[in-house]
Amino acid sequence: EVQLVESGGGLVKPGGSLRLSCAASGFTFSSYSMNWVRQAPGKGLEWVSSISSSSSYIYYADSVKGRFTISRDNAKNSLYLQMNSLRAEDTAVYYCARKLGATTGWFDPWGQGTLVTVSS
Amino acid sequence: DIQMTQSPSSLSASVGDRVTITCRASQSINSFLNWYQQKPGKAPKLLIYAASSLQSGVPSRFSGSGSGTDFTLTISSLQPEDFATYYCQQSYSTPFTFGQGTRLEIK
Repeated sequence: EVQLVESGGGLVKPGGSLRLSCAASGFTFSSYSMNWVRQAPGKGLEWVSSISSSSSYIYYADSVKGRFTISRDNAKNSLYLQMNSLRAEDTAVYYCARKLGATTGWFDPWGQGTLVTVSS
Repeated sequence: DIQMTQSPSSLSASVGDRVTITCRASQSINSFLNWYQQKPGKAPKLLIYAASSLQSGVPSRFSGSGSGTDFTLTISSLQPEDFATYYCQQSYSTPFTFGQGTRLEIK
């Protein structure tokens, strides 16, 4: 079964840091681009970052550029999101998602999400 | 950035109804358009990819169409389990923007 499991969320003070992890299983992790998508409480979905299979191509939303760093360890079948200088507006459920499709691209599956709360 | 606009934002319908949700892109995205369903407290689930391809395991009452800037998601006969929020997403270019969502409620 293809599965993604996020971890690492929690309560952090403004200006603090947090590292999210996403453990992949059931597929050849090293063959796929991966993404982070977040959802603030009661709000819609916001794409955060994308990393290609070999980490050659990395992209960020403007809202997190310079503060968040996406990375992966293909040997450990794991995806990461290092979040620094956190702000209240970063409070959200963070999902990791596999990207399928060589050209068009779509996200499937998604993990169950991990909640990040930024508050003093 | 490409803006994605869904309409309506919310919709009330009954079991058995035919429902259509539209999604408009601020520029042409060819067929780089995906649809997701999200139920409360759950992760989004892929329904339709590349505008009109049905994801494996998704009931055939779901269908997608469109290209360029205008797209539709149609549910041919609503079932109780279909009441959820639906999002479109463009995968033409980063940032991979989502529509604001359409909340489908029971009438």
